[in-house]
Amino acid sequence: DTAVSQTPKYLVTQMGNDKSIKCEQNLGHDTMYWYKQDSKKFLKIMFSYNNKELIINETVPNRFSPKSPDKAHLNLHINSLELGDSAVYFCASSPRGVQGAGANVLTFGAGSRLTVL
Amino acid sequence: AQSVAQPEDQVNVAEGNPLTVKCTYSVSGNPYLFWYVQYPNRGLQFLLKYITGDNLVKGSYGFEAEFNKSQTSFHLKKPSALVSDSALYFCAVRDNAGNNRKLIWGLGTSLAVNP
Repeated sequence: DTAVSQTPKYLVTQMGNDKSIKCEQNLGHDTMYWYKQDSKKFLKIMFSYNNKELIINETVPNRFSPKSPDKAHLNLHINSLELGDSAVYFCASSPRGVQGAGANVLTFGAGSRLTVL
Repeated sequence: AQSVAQPEDQVNVAEGNPLTVKCTYSVSGNPYLFWYVQYPNRGLQFLLKYITGDNLVKGSYGFEAEFNKSQTSFHLKKPSALVSDSALYFCAVRDNAGNNRKLIWGLGTSLAVNP
């Protein structure tokens, strides 16, 4: 039973298209994240939600829009895809709120590899 | 500015030998330090953390890390490396500035354990 599952695993699309990646966690965690890992394996946080409330919104183009319908789900929608959006996108979750030390023990999904042609 | 550095892009070690993956940090206030591992084509997995207490922290898969306050380091160690330890290792520190306490990540160190 996968703890953090994201779909699709692979996504190949053309520039200018709109696409979504979905994420679900069954761990009962309060906080969920989206990370981007580029071709050099550099990891960058994009967004974080705590109990459906946006708490981290890094410098990300507004073509990227996260949505958290409930605390177990965090989806990422990307408009007008660009070549530079090609990367692996990881969803993660963590327990409790932002203050406790456990808040930084993240459980990651397996990743969604986005290729923009 | 708060930051974390992993000075080695790649570490090579023979199977059975001890391994060390280095990490240094700069943070305001008390450091909360973490190690994560990423196996090929997988998401990151939590290995261990230092919050307070003993400077030597034990984690998953036989890994441990030593917190050294004077050297602002948190090196990852294992007494005897396995080929299956070959992976990408990330050090992270909690950002104590601001309210969201996000993690600040190192650039990763690729560990290759040779049979």
